[in-house]
Amino acid sequence: QKEVEQDPGPLSVPEGAIVSLNCTYSNSAFQYFMWYRQYSRKGPELLMYTYSSGNKEDGRFTAQVDKSSKYISLFIRDSQPSDSATYLCATLNQGGKLIFGQGTELSVKP
Amino acid sequence: GAGVSQSPSNKVTEKGKDVELRCDPISGHTALYWYRQSLGQGLEFLIYFQGNSAPDKSGLPSDRFSAERTGGSVSTLTIQRTQQEDSAVYLCASSLDRGGTEAFFGQGTRLTVV
Repeated sequence: QKEVEQDPGPLSVPEGAIVSLNCTYSNSAFQYFMWYRQYSRKGPELLMYTYSSGNKEDGRFTAQVDKSSKYISLFIRDSQPSDSATYLCATLNQGGKLIFGQGTELSVKP
Repeated sequence: GAGVSQSPSNKVTEKGKDVELRCDPISGHTALYWYRQSLGQGLEFLIYFQGNSAPDKSGLPSDRFSAERTGGSVSTLTIQRTQQEDSAVYLCASSLDRGGTEAFFGQGTRLTVV
């Protein structure tokens, strides 16, 4: 079993839709959870990170962690064509290693 | 520099040749990561440095792969006797400390083995 699982998609939505991206993880000891965005032929860039359970909001983006079900989510409100990218969830193991999901390819159609 | 710098940005090499990929992390960042990303795939962990030491090199695919970091700064990933399956984008990231919660990535080196 992979330590972090993510549906690779692709996911296609119309402009203005609410997007929900999700990951599951295997180790209940993980505490930090990150979301990265990667545009084509670019390196990933950090969108936001959360610690333990709960929500964190940044503009149109909300990250949510449910430790009881080992489930992490990223919601994008009022999605824009410029949000079209691959979104990667990640977590940090106790040794300091960043572990990534496979990434979900998102396309927002005008 | 302002961000993580990787060189070269593109490298085409013949099968069997050795290649060296370089990563210049953000100044002051003690943690440095190497990942590999094949077409349409996620990030495959290769190795992680804290300072000059590598607490986790579990992701190196074979003994043809090695990496070093000197002066707590620049890192070099070396692939010996390259194979076609080594073709991928090699990404480097750095973070301020071993926590890695805010890791910054370079643009990657696109390696093609022909």
